[in-house]
Amino acid sequence: GQQLNQSPQSMFIQEGEDVSMNCTSSSIFNTWLWYKQDPGEGPVLLIALYKAGELTSNGRLTAQFGITRKDSFLNISASIPSDVGIYFCAGQSNTGNQFYFGTGTSLTVIP
Amino acid sequence: EAQVTQNPRYLITVTGKKLTVTCSQNMNHEYMSWYRQDPGLGLRQIYYSMNVEVTDKGDVPEGYKVSRKEKRNFPLILESPSPNQTSLYFCASSADRVTGELFFGEGSRLTVL
Repeated sequence: GQQLNQSPQSMFIQEGEDVSMNCTSSSIFNTWLWYKQDPGEGPVLLIALYKAGELTSNGRLTAQFGITRKDSFLNISASIPSDVGIYFCAGQSNTGNQFYFGTGTSLTVIP
Repeated sequence: EAQVTQNPRYLITVTGKKLTVTCSQNMNHEYMSWYRQDPGLGLRQIYYSMNVEVTDKGDVPEGYKVSRKEKRNFPLILESPSPNQTSLYFCASSADRVTGELFFGEGSRLTVL
């Protein structure tokens, strides 16, 4: 299967700091997605990106679809305690039927 | 309330004892899929279904079966579970494969001894 490399694996930050994480793939995707997973729950979609170079925001979250279509990054500004969780990137196959997830970034926010 | 429901949420079983994890969605979604989540590996797709009676393999289908006889249900079957199938399993559905918005269940933690 296709491998998505996500970094960093984990982050420990102070409340109020900005966060940045990224995801790279060996293959091209037409859609990049970012999900967040809270403890004991399933992932929830945060942002979807459909076009190379696209920059999309959702509140304090900003994500970009890399020009090469093989990478994406997610920024969180002014982190708060409820940002704690695991963040996953995902690439969607051209057919739309298959999803390939990154290995996840575990975020801890220290109040 | 729109949701994807999985059962059981937790299960401990023994090698070789057939089990089924059920998944049901109340959103009339056509697309459904199963994933397993393992530490350091993220989520990996096991099987997916584009509609009733239409299923296909994902990245890690070995040792699993699925069926889609009704639109709302997509059970995951382990005919002869083995310890390497110990994992956290998620079912997800989507109304629109174009947007990539998957709605996930709460997960089923399976331990095979």
